[in-house]
Amino acid sequence: ETGVTQSPTHLIKTRGQQVTLRCSSQSGHNTVSWYQQALGQGPQFIFQYYREEENGRGNFPPRFSGLQFPNYSSELNVNALELDDSALYLCASSPDRDGSPLHFGNGTRLTVT
Amino acid sequence: QKEVEQDPGPLSVPEGAIVSLNCTYSNSAFQYFMWYRQYSRKGPELLMYTYSSGNKEDGRFTAQVDKSSKYISLFIRDSQPSDSATYLCAMRGLTGGGNKLTFGTGTQLKVEL
Repeated sequence: ETGVTQSPTHLIKTRGQQVTLRCSSQSGHNTVSWYQQALGQGPQFIFQYYREEENGRGNFPPRFSGLQFPNYSSELNVNALELDDSALYLCASSPDRDGSPLHFGNGTRLTVT
Repeated sequence: QKEVEQDPGPLSVPEGAIVSLNCTYSNSAFQYFMWYRQYSRKGPELLMYTYSSGNKEDGRFTAQVDKSSKYISLFIRDSQPSDSATYLCAMRGLTGGGNKLTFGTGTQLKVEL
């Protein structure tokens, strides 16, 4: 049990819509990272937040955005959904921003039709 | 060419066998190396976390890192049906980039009775 919880577990959206995914990190973990895992692939880094500020970003367009809140919860927002956005979205937390191993939640399975 | 290459399998072995899982990488800046286990419909679970070259043992699991060859391995002794899962290697640099991990595609392992 990692202490990282994500909601919802599954979600179906239509192309062009917007979606918000939520994550609750382990207490005391100041860093949250989001990853996208397409079917049959390894997770790809989207971005990281440290103490409510973006602290690193992968090769994802600006329509992927996030928020981190003081209560160790965070959100991933995706605008103008595309079919290729269908994937498992994983949230991971760690106590600091550089060096600690990441512990993942079970993810949100997003299907875009 | 991908930064991290991992044979996707599937790999099928009998119960009790020794399993060898491998990844190669091209980025010489990688210093931290991890192995995650991912069951179907679950998030990745951290198995092993190593820094730089050498071996690390934890129960039935042994992780090896050979930086000169840019090659890492995970050995599972006395494999059990409960070890059936996808195994992901992951790595990151020493500083900077936050907690951005670069993953392999994962190797699907099935341990049969």
